Amino acid sequence: KQEVTQIPAALSVPEGENLVLNCSFTDSAIYNLQWFRQDPGKGLTSLLLIQSSQREQTSGRLNASLDKSSGRSTLYIAASQPGDSATYLCAVRTDSWGKLQFGAGTQVVVTP
Amino acid sequence: KAGVTQTPRYLIKTRGQQVTLSCSPISGHRSVSWYQQTPGQGLQFLFEYFSETQRNKGNFPGRFSGRQFSNSRSEMNVSTLELGDSALYLCASSPGLAGALSTDTQYFGPGTRLTVL
Repeated sequence: KQEVTQIPAALSVPEGENLVLNCSFTDSAIYNLQWFRQDPGKGLTSLLLIQSSQREQTSGRLNASLDKSSGRSTLYIAASQPGDSATYLCAVRTDSWGKLQFGAGTQVVVTP
Repeated sequence: KAGVTQTPRYLIKTRGQQVTLSCSPISGHRSVSWYQQTPGQGLQFLFEYFSETQRNKGNFPGRFSGRQFSNSRSEMNVSTLELGDSALYLCASSPGLAGALSTDTQYFGPGTRLTVL
């Protein structure tokens, strides 16, 4: 059974620092891994999607890596800003029909 | 393009009632998935529809059901509501290009906040 874990559950950093968020999964047979952000009481915003054949994806200040063999993904956010404060979730797809399996998320606070 | 829309955004119901939630996917998207989010259980997959057929289902009781229409819009229904059904219900859509479902990004709507009293 696939388990997705995100550690730490919460993180607080001063503005300007780089953020490193971790995601681990137990079954390496995944189609892809997706990172989302969620603001309080809102829906999810897709940040990056990494296919199983890829090692990393980049978008602006965001970079996500994927190591399938070790069951890990890392999301890097460069030069953090207060607007980056949110909960960040990772999700893996292990089924060709929908069904993303989510981690519990890392709550990030960036202090001015 | 307009994003995924969900109606209503907020609902208050009492135990034993039933409720129907609606989701309109991004124009051109053919796949719609539903998720339940609670503080205790996190995000859990309910079901996915593609071309009006349920393709995948999560571990929820039969009180939770859904359907998809020919225009890809989807509804989910919860009958005989229980207190534990209070949650944020999220809908996600994907393009669903033939043979490429596994590579699709899922785009989420703002959710419907259901409170059961």
